[in-house]
Amino acid sequence: GAVVSQHPSWVICKSGTSVKIECRSLDFQATTMFWYRQFPKQSLMLMATSNEGSKATYEQGVEKDKFLINHASLTLSTLTVTSAHPEDSSFYICSATGLGYSDTQYFGPGTRLTVL
Amino acid sequence: GENVEQHPSTLSVQEGDSAVIKCTYSDSASNYFPWYKQELGKRPQLIIDIRSNVGEKKDQRIAVTLNKTAKHFSLHITETQPEDSAVYFCAAQDSGTYKYIFGTGTRLKVLA
Repeated sequence: GAVVSQHPSWVICKSGTSVKIECRSLDFQATTMFWYRQFPKQSLMLMATSNEGSKATYEQGVEKDKFLINHASLTLSTLTVTSAHPEDSSFYICSATGLGYSDTQYFGPGTRLTVL
Repeated sequence: GENVEQHPSTLSVQEGDSAVIKCTYSDSASNYFPWYKQELGKRPQLIIDIRSNVGEKKDQRIAVTLNKTAKHFSLHITETQPEDSAVYFCAAQDSGTYKYIFGTGTRLKVLA
């Protein structure tokens, strides 16, 4: 099946610093990747959709200057949380779809971000 | 845009009993409906999905039914086991953007 990895699996940082999270499709070409955040005991909330080689499309209410998304290749997308604050602490999950997988999203294992 | 409602939010069943989780959606053009299982701290895992040209799909103890007219779909788990305990999310794929709109989740607890 389609495998998606995410790195790091957890990160702790100080307030005001930036954190980069990588999402990789390991065995397929991901034409589209999605970034979600999930607070404890809540559902997945879509932050943005990124297509390879083009700018990400952000959901309403998500600050594009704070959550920088880059999808430079068909196997890698990155999310950078800039000037992180404690309220940015959350579980960030990426998913990917690709050629032949246009409907199904395959999820990465998630990154738990804690901002002190 | 699409809106998905999911019920119940929590569900406790005895081991061996059946569990049913229901979702409704608003966009009649949506045509793909996946169900995901998420264990604490883990990634959501696809357990079954259904497309709008099918009314029912079954995979061993798991089945999904879709009523396009009423715009609702349900997950059925038979012969539940303790390892079925998790949070289950339904989703509907937005017909225009291919994004998933997730339900709010159902926390299933199977009591041994």
